[in-house]
Amino acid sequence: KAGVTQTPRYLIKTRGQQVTLSCSPISGHRSVSWYQQTPGQGLQFLFEYFSETQRNKGNFPGRFSGRQFSNSRSEMNVSTLELGDSALYLCASSSTLLAAGTGELFFGEGSRLTVL
Amino acid sequence: QKEVEQNSGPLSVPEGAIASLNCTYSDRVSQSFFWYRQYSGKSPELIMSIYSNGDKEDGRFTAQLNKASQYVSLLIRDSQPSDSATYLCAVNTGTYKYIFGTGTRLKVLA
Repeated sequence: KAGVTQTPRYLIKTRGQQVTLSCSPISGHRSVSWYQQTPGQGLQFLFEYFSETQRNKGNFPGRFSGRQFSNSRSEMNVSTLELGDSALYLCASSSTLLAAGTGELFFGEGSRLTVL
Repeated sequence: QKEVEQNSGPLSVPEGAIASLNCTYSDRVSQSFFWYRQYSGKSPELIMSIYSNGDKEDGRFTAQLNKASQYVSLLIRDSQPSDSATYLCAVNTGTYKYIFGTGTRLKVLA
């Protein structure tokens, strides 16, 4: 069974640009959640998509957005990049909605974004 | 107060010893608790989940949950150098999302 695939793995952008990251979940998983990981803040929840609908959102500005397609693949977009957006962005897939509280999260390898 | 707190470490233990990792959480209605292991440069992987008070054992790992004290811990028996990693505590809170602690770095000394 293929794991969670994230692309691109590494990218460098400059301030003010936008970026789109992609995540393909494990086959059959309908929940995709996104996290930002930085050394100081740890893993912070961005949002969750389930059946093409955003189900929950963390405390991030509106510059961070996402969507999910009918095949459960998800994308997240960050517009007007700031230096502080430099981080590892992880997506995780789960067989259940996060609200169920019992689903294991399977993480992708992440997309490391550097903003110059 | 952070929603999920962990000591950042590093926690250094000799090979063969018991490593004890601790986590406290603030949301009393939290219902599910998880420990993830993250090797340097890798993504987190689940090693234990626990949902009710008490102990849950899986091989060398034991998770302990005390909801009254809002405390969850992970014990690693017979620690091996390969256990050296950052251990993340995650809590599924009343707002139905996973909140992660910042992790405890464990070093097992050969």
